[in-house]
Amino acid sequence: EAQVTQNPRYLITVTGKKLTVTCSQNMNHEYMSWYRQDPGLGLRQIYYSMNVEVTDKGDVPEGYKVSRKEKRNFPLILESPSPNQTSLYFCASRLSWASGITDTQYFGPGTRLTVL
Amino acid sequence: KQEVTQIPAALSVPEGENLVLNCSFTDSAIYNLQWFRQDPGKGLTSLLLIQSSQREQTSGRLNASLDKSSGRSTLYIAASQPGDSATYLCAVEDSNYQLIWGAGTKLIIKP
Repeated sequence: EAQVTQNPRYLITVTGKKLTVTCSQNMNHEYMSWYRQDPGLGLRQIYYSMNVEVTDKGDVPEGYKVSRKEKRNFPLILESPSPNQTSLYFCASRLSWASGITDTQYFGPGTRLTVL
Repeated sequence: KQEVTQIPAALSVPEGENLVLNCSFTDSAIYNLQWFRQDPGKGLTSLLLIQSSQREQTSGRLNASLDKSSGRSTLYIAASQPGDSATYLCAVEDSNYQLIWGAGTKLIIKP
């Protein structure tokens, strides 16, 4: 089954404790991205990757890091989480960067993060 | 900068009614407009994608229209059912191949 998986699904942590949210897709997609969703706001892009070893900042990259060492995996790293990073996080993928003209993105189930 | 707005933020209607959800955007330079459905704990599911050269797309009881010149899209749901209850999100693919999102409309269909 074609899917995007994220782990963990729920996480409660404390300020300053490094954490990683994993994302994996099994569709051989080149393009992957991370979004955060906050009440009353649309999804906002954190980082995206056009292919292995190619990443770039989205609209809200401060406080986050990513890596793309393999095509299928795109982990999101919070090196020193703060309460304002409490949010619902989504990983997504699609065939390629430019395929967005005709191709939609496929989303993981989301990770609800609470930073105390 | 592209902005996407969805009105209303929430909507509650009796089962069986036809309904329309609205989406507006400020910059007509888009590749496409997409409608997604969000269910709690299940992520986002793509419903319809309308390319910039198209006027509408249909899937089952769903019909989405696009008027690029006026910066508007509507999602029409026919004969609504309780299973249609969800949050519906609108997003436009901008000229940098990035999705810009509206905040969503939370729809409740009452049995």
